[in-house]
Amino acid sequence: GAVVSQHPSWVICKSGTSVKIECRSLDFQATTMFWYRQFPKQSLMLMATSNEGSKATYEQGVEKDKFLINHASLTLSTLTVTSAHPEDSSFYICSASLLGSGEKLFFGSGTQLSVL
Amino acid sequence: SQQGEEDPQALSIQEGENATMNCSYKTSINNLQWYRQNSGRGLVHLILIRSNEREKHSGRLRVTLDTSKKSSSLLITASRAADTASYFCATVYQAGTALIFGKGTTLSVSS
Repeated sequence: GAVVSQHPSWVICKSGTSVKIECRSLDFQATTMFWYRQFPKQSLMLMATSNEGSKATYEQGVEKDKFLINHASLTLSTLTVTSAHPEDSSFYICSASLLGSGEKLFFGSGTQLSVL
Repeated sequence: SQQGEEDPQALSIQEGENATMNCSYKTSINNLQWYRQNSGRGLVHLILIRSNEREKHSGRLRVTLDTSKKSSSLLITASRAADTASYFCATVYQAGTALIFGKGTTLSVSS
């Protein structure tokens, strides 16, 4: 099956620093990737849809300048949490679809971000 | 707002028993999907059922879909301790392209 690789698995950073999370589709091309955020014992909340070669589409309430998404190639999307604060601490997960929108998603293993 | 709502929120059973989780959604869908998440990990796709299907099987999994009631159920038969995880239903909402997930059911299977 399709594999999505996400790095790093976990990161601890100081308040005010920026953190970059990478999401790669290893054996398929993903024109669209999705970024989700998950708080402990809660569901996944869609943050943004990342489109290769164009600007990401952010969900209502998600700050574009805070969560920078770049999808420069068909196999790589990055999420940068800028000027991170403790409230940004969360589990971030990326995903991609092999067959197109609305179909089965393949997920990365997630990144646990802890901001001190 | 989230598209799907699962119940129960938590379910504890013994190995060998069946586990049933339900999901309700709000708008018309093309398909409904179920995913599994082990603690602190990414999600794994379990099964997809299309709006013109009523029931689908995959191994020990059985999914039903009732579009008139906007609901779906996931049945895991002969559960095992390894089935312990959180289970989410997900659908695409409105004209969007992204899956929106329900709140999930946390299943604990004890041996």
